[in-house]
Amino acid sequence: EIQLQESGPGLVKPSQSLSLTCSVTGYTITSGYDWSWIRKFPGNKMEWMGYISYSGSTNYNPSLKSRISITRDTSKNQFFLQLNSVTTEDTATYYCARSLIGMDAWGQGASVTVSS
Amino acid sequence: DIQMTQSPTSLAASVGESVTITCLASEDIYGSLVWYQQKPGKSPQLLIYGATILEDGIPSRFSGSGSDTQYSLKINSLQPEDFASYYCQNGLSTPWTFGGGTKLELK
Repeated sequence: EIQLQESGPGLVKPSQSLSLTCSVTGYTITSGYDWSWIRKFPGNKMEWMGYISYSGSTNYNPSLKSRISITRDTSKNQFFLQLNSVTTEDTATYYCARSLIGMDAWGQGASVTVSS
Repeated sequence: DIQMTQSPTSLAASVGESVTITCLASEDIYGSLVWYQQKPGKSPQLLIYGATILEDGIPSRFSGSGSDTQYSLKINSLQPEDFASYYCQNGLSTPWTFGGGTKLELK
């Protein structure tokens, strides 16, 4: 059974970078699928941020393109989110998920607050 | 970007009733519509993809329909565990976009 788990700081200062890790067990991220980051804002709006494919290519939401980077460590079966120059508007719950036709496996979510 | 508009934003119903949630895409998404359920404090769960295809393990009281720009999620004979929030998602093209959500509450 596949499991995903997000980890990282719960508090980030404005203008700094937000970094999260998604650790995957039960499936090898180079075997297939795209590996996405999604966030849910207070007020419940959801935004797909981007993905890294099983082959290592990336696809980002244009709304974030200048600030986002998704990378991976295949030896650890992990993928990562970096979001630069954060503001209070980046406060959200961040999820990693396996995606193809829909997102069929999700992490439990990591709450991140941007505040000084 | 494809905009997804869900309605209603909230809905109150009783156990045993049937409800329908709708999702309108800003352009034809050719049936590439995904539905999720999310319970408080939990991550979203995939219910339906391809507008009508039930994900493995999802009860048959859930069904999806629609085409072009208009889609629906129907839940028959509501069970206590169905009271949650529901989201639609454009699965046609990136950036994948979500509807604003529908909160289904117990009347």
